Amino acid sequence: SQQGEEDPQALSIQEGENATMNCSYKTSINNLQWYRQNSGRGLVHLILIRSNEREKHSGRLRVTLDTSKKSSSLLITASRAADTASYFCATDSTGTASKLTFGTGTRLQVTL
Amino acid sequence: GAVVSQHPSRVICKSGTSVKIECRSLDFQATTMFWYRQFPKQSLMLMATSNEGSKATYEQGVEKDKFLINHASLTLSTLTVTSAHPEDSSFYICSANRAGALGDTQYFGPGTRLTVL
Repeated sequence: SQQGEEDPQALSIQEGENATMNCSYKTSINNLQWYRQNSGRGLVHLILIRSNEREKHSGRLRVTLDTSKKSSSLLITASRAADTASYFCATDSTGTASKLTFGTGTRLQVTL
Repeated sequence: GAVVSQHPSRVICKSGTSVKIECRSLDFQATTMFWYRQFPKQSLMLMATSNEGSKATYEQGVEKDKFLINHASLTLSTLTVTSAHPEDSSFYICSANRAGALGDTQYFGPGTRLTVL
């Protein structure tokens, strides 16, 4: 399997703190995307970063990409209880347009 | 925004029966759709790529005769789990690929929870 690894597997923080999740992958990529999934629901697309980009921001989200280390991080600043969910990175590889390979996911719990 | 629906949202069936799950792109056409399976507390695993007007492409280890995929129109793909068994119980999620000027984007359906008794 070419599935990526994410760490930590689970993260519990208090509201207002920052949450950082990491993703590592194995093959060359075109893009890396981050998704959120609430329990028992579908996926919500958060942000896409291209292989030639190093950092991207969207609201309280900050994503970095290091292609030399084949890794990415997702930072959620000033977390809220509503951010409680599982977060997955997904990569699409060179030559296989749109076929996504998902990481193992991080379960984030934000408590009041 | 692009919307993808799945039907049914949950289904319970007896072992040995077949179950059909529909995936529809509601406001765009999708020549390519994807079917994923997700077991509890695990990630999504790609099962197959559904291509409109042609045969689906299955990932290694996924039985094509077990999981029948039909993509007869640009807005509908169906996954039929044939002769379902308890080990097929899972969360099945589809996505529809939307082509754009800046590249392709996948939009995910809300998922179908299958429970086989």
